[in-house]
Amino acid sequence: EVQLVESGGGLVQPGGSLRLSCAASGFTVSSNYMSWVRQAPGKGLEWVSVIYSSGDTSYAASVKGRFTISRHNSKNTLYLEMNSLRAEDTAVYYCTRGAAVGWFDPWGQGTLVTVSS
Amino acid sequence: QSVVTQPPSVSGAPGQRVTISCTGTSSNIGARNDVHWYQQLPGTAPKLLIYGNNNRPAGVPDRFSGSRSGTSASLAITGLQAEDEADYYCQSYDTSLSVYVFGTGTKVTVL
Repeated sequence: EVQLVESGGGLVQPGGSLRLSCAASGFTVSSNYMSWVRQAPGKGLEWVSVIYSSGDTSYAASVKGRFTISRHNSKNTLYLEMNSLRAEDTAVYYCTRGAAVGWFDPWGQGTLVTVSS
Repeated sequence: QSVVTQPPSVSGAPGQRVTISCTGTSSNIGARNDVHWYQQLPGTAPKLLIYGNNNRPAGVPDRFSGSRSGTSASLAITGLQAEDEADYYCQSYDTSLSVYVFGTGTKVTVL
């Protein structure tokens, strides 16, 4: 069964850092495009970042320079390193498998990141 | 602020047909990039509903259908059921911005 399980969310102060993890099963992370998508409380979906099978990466303008997406091939795990966190980064973060200029499927259950003092 | 807009809400009685519009620009939907749709039930993660404009993944009822024309797309739900009450999002790729874009989302209410 194809499955994604996120972890690492929590409460962090403004300016702080956090690393999210997404463990995959049923497929190989390094052979796929993998993305992070977030959803602020009561708001819509916002794409955050992608890592392509080539290892190239791309980021939304709102997180560029602060967030870093990466993967650990032997652990079949995706990561999102988040630095200089702001209140507006508060959201549920989902990891998802994505096709080139295509769709996202499946999605993990999400992990909540709260940035507050 | 999303560059792809949807109506905030639509509603219908059980058994009725409702449609959700998804309006983009010449750099995303209008650039002939495919449109995909997701259903998000309350308190759960989004689920792929329609991919490649009008294709249903296995297990999605044929009551759901999608279409794309010009800079817009739409999702139709026929034979509306109580279990269809959820938020729906369209999604595409913006070639000019080199980012994936989601629509603003539409809440479907079954009266």
